[in-house]
Formats: sequence, structure tokens, C-alpha cells
Amino acid sequence: GAVVSQHPSWVICKSGTSVKIECRSLDFQATTMFWYRQFPKQSLMLMATSNEGSKATYEQGVEKDKFLINHASLTLSTLTVTSAHPEDSSFYICSARSTSAYEQYFGPGTRLTVT
Amino acid sequence: AQTVTQSQPEMSVQEAETVTLSCTYDTSESDYYLFWYKQPPSRQMILVIRQEAYKQQNATENRFSVNFQKAAKSFSLKISDSQLGDAAMYFCAYDGGSQGNLIFGKGTKLSVKP
Repeated sequence: GAVVSQHPSWVICKSGTSVKIECRSLDFQATTMFWYRQFPKQSLMLMATSNEGSKATYEQGVEKDKFLINHASLTLSTLTVTSAHPEDSSFYICSARSTSAYEQYFGPGTRLTVT
Repeated sequence: AQTVTQSQPEMSVQEAETVTLSCTYDTSESDYYLFWYKQPPSRQMILVIRQEAYKQQNATENRFSVNFQKAAKSFSLKISDSQLGDAAMYFCAYDGGSQGNLIFGKGTKLSVKP
């Protein structure tokens, strides 16, 4: 099956610093990748949709200047949390949609803790 | 806007028994996909089953099956012969947009009693 990786799986950073999370499709090409945020015991909330070679589309209420998304290739999308604050602490999940199949494949998630 | 509703925050089932998780959705589209995802404590999202709206036949994957009622906009998941490893959060999801982003329900936490 298709595999999506995320790195790092867990990161702790200090308030005011920036953190980059990578999402890679390992064995397929993904024209579209999605970034979700999940708070404890809650559902996944879509943050943004990124298409290879174009600007990401952000959901209402998501600060695009704070959550920078880059989809530079068909196998890599990055989410950078800029000037992180404790309220940005959360579980971030990416998914990738194959160019040849309908399904989305999810990465294992990244736990971000901002101190 | 499309919405997905899971009305059961928690469910419990005895090992080897059958349990049904409910999901309703709202959409004006006629062509879409519906999914059930499982999220165990590891938090990795695992696709359990999917249903294409244009197909009348209910999808089945081993012990997992759905009851898809398009007119009623209902999409329930039945788990037969429940196993301890089935314990997890289960999310119902809708995909109807051209971008393919999923709209998730709030989830149902399933516990399996030995």
C-alpha cells in the first residue's frame, strides 16, 4: 500500500521559534496534500490544502502567515509553524492524494509541544 | 456546506459480538465518497472501508461492512466478531469536493470488552 511519512514524529520547541514538519509520499506521487490539526480527544480539522507548484489554500480561521505550507515536489510538502506559541501545541497530520487513485493516505502525525 | 454527524461519542461491545456505529451526513451533491477511518492509540489513521455514492451495493471488507442509505444520508459501520484490536476511535468521513479534502465527524470511541 501507499506510504506517507512525517518527520519529525515529535518535537518540542521554545515559544517564539519556528518548526518545520515534513510530509513525504514514499512510493507514489501526490498532486495534492492536506494538513490537519487534531486536539486531544477531538476530530481532525483541515488546515490547508496544498497542490504541487502552487500556493496552498487555507481554511477559514487558519493564519497563512503563521502556518507556512510549501509543496515543492510531487512527493514532499512542508508545514512551518512560525513564531510558535503554547497554543500551537497540537497533533499535526498530513495526508496525500495519489495522482492515480482516489484515496488519501495519511502520515503517522507529528506531536508539537511549545514550551 | 457538507457536514458529517456521529451521534455516538462512545460505544462498547463484547469481544466476538457485533456493533454498529452510526453516521449521517448532509450534502447536495449526488456523487461523492464516504469513508470509515480507524485511529488507534498510535494515532495513525487507518482506512477501514469506503463507499462510492453511485454504487448501490454496500461495501464489505472482511468483518467490516456498511449500511449505506443514500436517500436517508446515512452511512453506518458494522463490525462483526469484534476483536480487542478493534478498540479505537472511528471517524466517518465525506469526500465530495474536487480537491478531495475529507470532512470528518467527531468520532466514536469504541471499547471492546474481553
